[in-house]
Amino acid sequence: AQKITQTQPGMFVQEKEAVTLDCTYDTSDQSYGLFWYKQPSSGEMIFLIYQGSYDEQNATEGRYSLNFQKARKSANLVISASQLGDSAMYFCAMREGYYDYKLSFGAGTTVTVRA
Amino acid sequence: DAGVIQSPRHEVTEMGQEVTLRCKPISGHDYLFWYRQTMMRGLELLIYFNNNVPIDDSGMPEDRFSAKMPNASFSTLKIQPSEPRDSAVYFCASRGYHEQFFGPGTRLTVL
Repeated sequence: AQKITQTQPGMFVQEKEAVTLDCTYDTSDQSYGLFWYKQPSSGEMIFLIYQGSYDEQNATEGRYSLNFQKARKSANLVISASQLGDSAMYFCAMREGYYDYKLSFGAGTTVTVRA
Repeated sequence: DAGVIQSPRHEVTEMGQEVTLRCKPISGHDYLFWYRQTMMRGLELLIYFNNNVPIDDSGMPEDRFSAKMPNASFSTLKIQPSEPRDSAVYFCASRGYHEQFFGPGTRLTVL
């Protein structure tokens, strides 16, 4: 079974608008971590934001925020005030268990920011 | 810090040849991961090390693949013999507090 599901293969957003990227996950562990990475066309993987399963507050990092809904097993990424440089592939990933650090990645969502 | 360093950045080889990919993690990071990215399978973990010891190699596709970490600052991923289906981008990553920092990747093409 897929551990991370990203249902939006591609999205268009207007510059300066906000965009929400969906991510749902599947785990039976109580301790887990959720991550978002950005992969621009140049190919590198850039860490954006992290949310631990026990964190009560939604994580924020600059223009990125993670909308964590534990009961729904959802960890959506919100990018506010989109910029042209935000055009990239975005991956949601999960670490399961307290001592297991390997990441399972979703299929990714391509975001294209229009001027 | 220089970040995770991988070499070579691009490798083109012929089927049957041995390929060695190299990685230098960020200094002080005690976990190192090897991932492979393809269009068909996405990003998948191959193997990871803790303090130079392999912890989980369940993602290594077959015996043609091997990985070593002889010391805290160097790891190799070897494919012998290589096949066209091994063509992919191979990433090395090392772990900070929570997040993993990825290297720039090695784009491998096997003809």
